[in-house]
Amino acid sequence: QKEVEQNSGPLSVPEGAIASLNCTYSDRGSQSFFWYRQYSGKSPELIMFIYSNGDKEDGRFTAQLNKASQYVSLLIRDSQPSDSATYLCAARGSNSGYALNFGKGTSLLVTP
Amino acid sequence: KAGVTQTPRYLIKTRGQQVTLSCSPISGHRSVSWYQQTPGQGLQFLFEYFSETQRNKGNFPGRFSGRQFSNSRSEMNVSTLELGDSALYLCASSLSGLEDTQYFGPGTRLTVL
Repeated sequence: QKEVEQNSGPLSVPEGAIASLNCTYSDRGSQSFFWYRQYSGKSPELIMFIYSNGDKEDGRFTAQLNKASQYVSLLIRDSQPSDSATYLCAARGSNSGYALNFGKGTSLLVTP
Repeated sequence: KAGVTQTPRYLIKTRGQQVTLSCSPISGHRSVSWYQQTPGQGLQFLFEYFSETQRNKGNFPGRFSGRQFSNSRSEMNVSTLELGDSALYLCASSLSGLEDTQYFGPGTRLTVL
């Protein structure tokens, strides 16, 4: 069983809309969560991380964490075509020496 | 500050050969982790090195090995290559370990024929 699950998409949103990306995890010992963006043919780049329940905002991005539901999400406001990429959710697992457990990613397409 | 660098960027090998990949972390970072990324399995953790010691290891066969030098640069080696080893190999560095935020290098694209 994959420890971090994401809908593979593609998720298509019009330019200017809010994109909502979701992620669930199975390891209740996970304490920190990361969102990475990966453009085709490139390596993952960190968007933001979240440790505490609730919302964390950084510019157009908001990460939401609900540890009781084992659910993490990323909202992208005012989506731009340049946001089109694969978004990877990662959980730092307590049962794997704190290595990052990645989901397979959600492909986001922002249409002009 | 320069980012994580990986060499070579692309490699083509044949089955049975071995390969060595190199990673130089961000200056000041002492932890280097390696990941394998394939379309089918996504990103999977290989191992992590800190101060020249392997501290954590993922679920990969012994054909995958690595080491870290005193300057924090790291190499990973894959022996007896199999077709399934074709993947993007990513190195990530962090200040002091897996508990810190990891920053990825550009990756090495390995193709096994």
